[in-house]
Amino acid sequence: QSALTQPPSASGSPGQSVTISCTGTSDDIGRYDYVSWYQQESGKAPKLLIYAVSKRPSGVPDRFYASKSGNTASLTVSGLQAEDEADYFCSSYVSTNSWVFGGGTKLTVL
Amino acid sequence: QVQLVESGGGVVQTGKSLRLSCVVSGFTLRGYAFHWVRQAPGKGLEWVAHISHDGGRTDYADSVKGRFITSRDNSNKTLFLEMKSLTKEDTAVYYCARQNLGPYFDSWGQGTLVSVSS
Repeated sequence: QSALTQPPSASGSPGQSVTISCTGTSDDIGRYDYVSWYQQESGKAPKLLIYAVSKRPSGVPDRFYASKSGNTASLTVSGLQAEDEADYFCSSYVSTNSWVFGGGTKLTVL
Repeated sequence: QVQLVESGGGVVQTGKSLRLSCVVSGFTLRGYAFHWVRQAPGKGLEWVAHISHDGGRTDYADSVKGRFITSRDNSNKTLFLEMKSLTKEDTAVYYCARQNLGPYFDSWGQGTLVSVSS
């Protein structure tokens, strides 16, 4: 199973919005609504940010929202804040009980 | 609160074995499936293994199938990852993660570093 494709980097100024894409195939993102996103701050463990394509766990600000179209999922961070600077990973369930992650996108707040 | 704490990482020679542990607290282990996810230095996340809530089903990434075995001891709130025939490509931080809200990883440990060298 190949990794999902994410841009290696993204950036924006405080207050702006930035969107990170995650491209898979018809075997993963295109087949299942089991897409999730994880935020990983430097030196820390990943944190669940989005699940089931667009749902936010309690405590995640609504500045983070996500969607899916065809084989591509997207994460948008609006009203960028300095604390949003981190690595972001998408993930999808794949058939036969396996999972795949994206390569990660480093978000820089300028 | 929910906590997962991995241990057992270290430096190991190519071809050798290592056993990782993950002790959980703050919730009932037997109610959840768990996963191992690894991250090579400076790289992205890679799903490694899954174990069902009762240990009756396990699944592995192709990269570790036949070499890694995951198990669990619900009574002692501990998960295990037995790794054999290690190669340099297995060098990574290994995280245990709880599956919740569906097929998602809602809680993670802090990770344990495995370094494989010749």
